[in-house]
Amino acid sequence: SQQGEEDPQALSIQEGENATMNCSYKTSINNLQWYRQNSGRGLVHLILIRSNEREKHSGRLRVTLDTSKKSSSLLITASRAADTASYFCATVILTGGTSYGKLTFGQGTILTVHP
Amino acid sequence: ETGVTQTPRHLVMGMTNKKSLKCEQHLGHNAMYWYKQSAKKPLELMFVYNFKEQTENNSVPSRFSPECPNSSHLFLHLHTLQPEDSALYLCASSQRQLAGSYNEQFFGPGTRLTVL
Repeated sequence: SQQGEEDPQALSIQEGENATMNCSYKTSINNLQWYRQNSGRGLVHLILIRSNEREKHSGRLRVTLDTSKKSSSLLITASRAADTASYFCATVILTGGTSYGKLTFGQGTILTVHP
Repeated sequence: ETGVTQTPRHLVMGMTNKKSLKCEQHLGHNAMYWYKQSAKKPLELMFVYNFKEQTENNSVPSRFSPECPNSSHLFLHLHTLQPEDSALYLCASSQRQLAGSYNEQFFGPGTRLTVL
């Protein structure tokens, strides 16, 4: 089973609309991160939210974290065609004595924004 | 160059070939990673290096052999691969933090590997 699972698997919207993606995980985390991947390319880090934070903003991005429900959401406001990409959540779990930040990724949400 | 670079960007090899993937980071980080991304599967962590020492081998078959000669360079040596090893191989780096503090990883563009 996956530590991070995104929902929905695919999302299609019009430019200007908001896009919301959800991520659920199973074990206690140190932090949760969101990444974007354009087709066939490397991942780009978007935002990191720590386990003691509930909400974070970065430009048009808003991330929430609910540790009691083990879930997070990524909201992209006023979407643009350039936001078309796959979005992944990744969790950093607590491991004794390890400080390198092992990321466990979900399968991602494919977002398509139509002009 | 800045960021994380990977070469080659595309590689086609036969099952009996030996090839190497190269990753270089220009960010001054001290941790580097290899990931495998296959179609319809989550990104899989393969290897982790901290300060040039391998700290994680995620049950990767021995036909994949990593090498980290210094904190800026990471290689993945490939030999006798199988068609199911065809995937996008991504390298990443990060700055190792004090225990309990983890930062983001910076990814390279990946090498698209096709095994015939």
